[in-house]
Amino acid sequence: GPKVLQIPSHQIIDMGQMVTLNCDPVSNHLYFYWYKQILGQQMEFLVNFYNGKVMEKSKLFKDQFSVERPDGSYFTLKIQPTALEDSAVYFCASSPTDSGNTLYFGEGSRLIVV
Amino acid sequence: GDQVEQSPSALSLHEGTGSALRCNFTTTMRAVQWFQQNSRGSLINLFYLASGTKENGRLKSTFNSKESYSTLHIRDAQLEDSGTYFCAAADSNYQLIWGSGTKLIIKP
Repeated sequence: GPKVLQIPSHQIIDMGQMVTLNCDPVSNHLYFYWYKQILGQQMEFLVNFYNGKVMEKSKLFKDQFSVERPDGSYFTLKIQPTALEDSAVYFCASSPTDSGNTLYFGEGSRLIVV
Repeated sequence: GDQVEQSPSALSLHEGTGSALRCNFTTTMRAVQWFQQNSRGSLINLFYLASGTKENGRLKSTFNSKESYSTLHIRDAQLEDSGTYFCAAADSNYQLIWGSGTKLIIKP
């Protein structure tokens, strides 16, 4: 089936440093999402993105977070600066439309902030 | 309160048996998606339903938007079915609201 690829799969970073998580969505999809999952807890919505813009974001999407997809390349989540509580698995997802289509998820990027 | 209530939170089954997971919704949902999160943490799409019932192998899922619930039935459970199962429902704005997950352990 359609694949969403995430790079890196794991990253350990010092608190205060910047990190960029990369997502290669399904090729004909138009809507992109980031979710955060702290170990053992449920998935939490961070942000969705369409046509070069953030459409919606949750309270978890702090000012230190930003997303972009320059010229159809990777859809990225940047955290600058990182904090200890940013340690989690970040899942990227994409869908062809926003209204009632299946989301396809990547395998997640495990971020550990030390 | 939570818009998506998933139960049970944990379930243990012997190989070859079956059971059902359930998500109740406190508001009208447009669609539901079920995922298995395996031991590596990967999310596997199981079902997407806007209504009715779908079946795939040993899994069957139903979504009843009028009565605000969805179920996931597993029959003839196998060891590889172990993992955490999540339902995620699309609200009126098509925003996904996640259940808290069911941790399923399959015993030999």
